[in-house]
Amino acid sequence: EVQLVESGGGLVQPGGTLRLSCAASGFTSSDYYMDWVRQAPGKGLEWVGRSRNKANNYITKFAASVKGRFTISRDDSKNSLYLQMNNLKTEDTAVYYCSRERAASAFDYWGQGTLVTVSS
Amino acid sequence: SYVLTQPPSVSVAPGKTARITCGGNNIATQNVHWYQHRPGQAPVVVIYYDYDRPSGIPERFSGSKSGDTATLTISRVVAGDEADYYCQVWDSSDDHWVFGGGTKLTVL
Repeated sequence: EVQLVESGGGLVQPGGTLRLSCAASGFTSSDYYMDWVRQAPGKGLEWVGRSRNKANNYITKFAASVKGRFTISRDDSKNSLYLQMNNLKTEDTAVYYCSRERAASAFDYWGQGTLVTVSS
Repeated sequence: SYVLTQPPSVSVAPGKTARITCGGNNIATQNVHWYQHRPGQAPVVVIYYDYDRPSGIPERFSGSKSGDTATLTISRVVAGDEADYYCQVWDSSDDHWVFGGGTKLTVL
């Protein structure tokens, strides 16, 4: 059974850093494109960034709102994906979801999300 | 950048048909995916590549598109269909994913 489990969310002050993890099971994550999507309170879904698969050198791409502040990395030995978030802003407050992408197709599996709150 | 426009809300009585639209410039040339998102749960893809339905999604869910509008149609609506629905496309000009603003489906 395919599962994605996010962790690492919490309360952080503006300007702070946080690293989210996404543990995959039931499939080999290195074979797939993986994405992060967030939902701010009372708002809709917003795509955050993507990591291509190993065959495509894990090339990353980010939304303009987070470019230069967020990075995505992987650990194949742990079948995991990470979102490093630096210089956090109050507008980054959201539930962050990890998802599996079928290479420019739909996101076929999602995690339950982890809440990030940026506040002083 | 590419913009997708959805109505904020759609209401429908049980047993009737709900139609949720997604507007975008010449969206008929894009691959459109649709997601159902219930509060506190993970989003679920209900339609991918415009018309295809993943296994486990009822046949009551269907997709279509023409010109500048894609449509998610839910036939014989039941209370369990109440959720937020989002359309999604890949913006090749900016090399990123775009979601519509979402539509809250209320079953009366």
